Amino acid sequence: EVQLVESGGGLVQPGGSLRLSCEASGFSFRSDAMHWVRQAPGKGLEYVSGITSNGGTTYYTDSVKGRFTISRDNSKKTLYLHMGSLRPEDMAVYFCVRGNYYGAAFAFDIWGQGTKVTVSS
Amino acid sequence: EIVLTQSPGTLSLSPGERATLSCRASQSVNSVNLAWYQQKPGQAPRLLIYGTSSRATGIPDRFSGSGSGIDFSLTISRLEPEDLAVYYCQQYDRSPWTFGRGTKVEIK
Repeated sequence: EVQLVESGGGLVQPGGSLRLSCEASGFSFRSDAMHWVRQAPGKGLEYVSGITSNGGTTYYTDSVKGRFTISRDNSKKTLYLHMGSLRPEDMAVYFCVRGNYYGAAFAFDIWGQGTKVTVSS
Repeated sequence: EIVLTQSPGTLSLSPGERATLSCRASQSVNSVNLAWYQQKPGQAPRLLIYGTSSRATGIPDRFSGSGSGIDFSLTISRLEPEDLAVYYCQQYDRSPWTFGRGTKVEIK
């Protein structure tokens, strides 16, 4: 079964840190670009970060640059998001997502169930 | 940043009716880089349409996408009760990749 399972969410104080993990199964993973997308309570979707298949290139939305670090361990089929200097506006459900090419088109075709991050004192 | 404006915010229709959802971009988007997602209550989003008009695996043919330039649309030809969801468009044409704010489809 093709699956992404996130973990690591929880309650953290403003300024604190958290590491999210996402374990993949049922597909290659090592040949796939992977991403994180978040959804604040009652809000829409926001792209957060991405990483190429070999980990050589990373991408971040402006609001998390310098605070978040995306990484991966292809031997463990696991994606990570290290989140530091957390702010209340980072509170959201974080989804792990596979990016895939369909010919010239691109889309996020596999989504995890999400892990909730709460930033509060 | 490309801003995607989705309309209407909420669409309330009866089963069997046709739903047309709009996604307008603040600048032209290459049609291969426009996708639609469905998010049912309490669930993760699911890919519906990629490349403006291609259905993802397992998506019923009552879902169709069209458009070019700055105007794109998702059509649900015959609404079914399980189509209750929020639908998001997304562009991958230029960084930062952005999503629209969603259209909520309610079933009367």
